[in-house]
Amino acid sequence: GEDVEQSLFLSVREGDSSVINCTYTDSSSTYLYWYKQEPGAGLQLLTYIFSNMDMKQDQRLTVLLNKKDKHLSLRIADTQTGDSAIYFCAERTGFNKFYFGSGTKLNVKP
Amino acid sequence: DSGVTQTPKHLITATGQRVTLRCSPRSGDLSVYWYQQSLDQGLQFLIHYYNGEERAKGNILERFSAQQFPDLHSELNLSSLELGDSALYFCASSSKPPGYEQYFGPGTRLTVT
Repeated sequence: GEDVEQSLFLSVREGDSSVINCTYTDSSSTYLYWYKQEPGAGLQLLTYIFSNMDMKQDQRLTVLLNKKDKHLSLRIADTQTGDSAIYFCAERTGFNKFYFGSGTKLNVKP
Repeated sequence: DSGVTQTPKHLITATGQRVTLRCSPRSGDLSVYWYQQSLDQGLQFLIHYYNGEERAKGNILERFSAQQFPDLHSELNLSSLELGDSALYFCASSSKPPGYEQYFGPGTRLTVT
C-alpha cells in the first residue's frame, strides 16, 4: 500500500504542545520521516525514525512510532509562532519509493 | 539552504509545449528524486535516479521523462503540456545510510496557460 494519511489542520496556542498524526499502510516501510514546508519554500527535513524504533527525541521534537498500528506522530513541545507551517510525514518503502501524506497545516495562535 | 539547486525558479509556458527542469544534488549525493506538488494531488513521487540509473518510478506520466548525467545533475522533461501539469516540481537528493533522508531543492513553479 502507498496510502499515507494525515489530518489537514491543527490549531494550537503558543506555548502548548502540538501533536501531528500520520497513518501509513505499507508494512515494508523501512524509514519514516517528518518534513516542514513554509510558504513558498521547499520541504525541510525535521527528523526521521527507523522502523524498528519506537521513539526518537530531538530537542523539542518527539517522534512516536506504533508499527503494529502503522501510526506515526510528531510532538512539538512549547510550540512557537515560527512553527506555523505544513508538516508532511513520509515513508520509504522496501522498494525504495517514497510516499508523502497530504500535509497537516499547523496554525499557532499567539 | 539544503544544498540542492533547481532551475529555473519559475516557468510559464503554453499548452502543448515542452520544458526541461534542472536539478543539481548536494555534493556527494548520488540519488536524485523528482516530485510534483499540486493543490489537489499533494506531493507525488515521480521518479528516482541513482548514479545515472533509474531506480524507481512513481506516478510519472508517459509525457514526462527524466535522466541523470555523469556529473549527477538531473533533468526532468515535460512534453505536450496540459493545464493540469501546472504545479511545483521539486527535486531532492538523498544521503547514504542509515537514514537515506532526502534534502529538497527550492522547487520550480510551472504555470501552463
